[in-house]
Amino acid sequence: GENVEQHPSTLSVQEGDSAVIKCTYSDSASNYFPWYKQELGKRPQLIIDIRSNVGEKKDQRIAVTLNKTAKHFSLHITETQPEDSAVYFCAASQGGSYIPTFGRGTSLIVHP
Amino acid sequence: GAVVSQHPSWVICKSGTSVKIECRSLDFQATTMFWYRQFPKQSLMLMATSNEGSKATYEQGVEKDKFLINHASLTLSTLTVTSAHPEDSSFYICSAIKGAAGDGYTFGSGTRLTVV
Repeated sequence: GENVEQHPSTLSVQEGDSAVIKCTYSDSASNYFPWYKQELGKRPQLIIDIRSNVGEKKDQRIAVTLNKTAKHFSLHITETQPEDSAVYFCAASQGGSYIPTFGRGTSLIVHP
Repeated sequence: GAVVSQHPSWVICKSGTSVKIECRSLDFQATTMFWYRQFPKQSLMLMATSNEGSKATYEQGVEKDKFLINHASLTLSTLTVTSAHPEDSSFYICSAIKGAAGDGYTFGSGTRLTVV
């Protein structure tokens, strides 16, 4: 089955700095890679996703890159703000009815 | 986007009692729903896959007699924690997939269960 590794487990940055979270996956059949943000006590919310036919996708301050050859993908957050503080999960899936496999999560702390 | 509702959002129960958690897809039909458990500061642990009209598929190590799952309709799945113990205290989240592309994976609002 799929195995998703996520690093770092904790990331502490100053407001305005950039944050990068990295994930690797093992199953070459995976073709859909979503990222979720989970605030304390709340549900994970999809913030951005990427499919295997593109290498990069951007949405305002967040971007995701994908390297299919190396089987890794990353989340980039620029100009971080305190409200970006949350736990971020990456996931890999074959799409369709396949259940995503989640990484262990990264706790991002943005200090004002 | 897809909306998945979960109820209750939090519940406190006594040891030995049973608790039922509901998961509803509000704007789409979900033949399959998923139940997760999440401990503080940890990732989402898939417990089981709930299939409408058939038995749920449980992940290894999850007691099916303790965590009863019923998916009686295309919009409702329930998780019943039977004979609850303090170690069952956790955050339980359901999810469902909307659409064939798999990119409509949406989580319910979660239920904080505390067993005292």
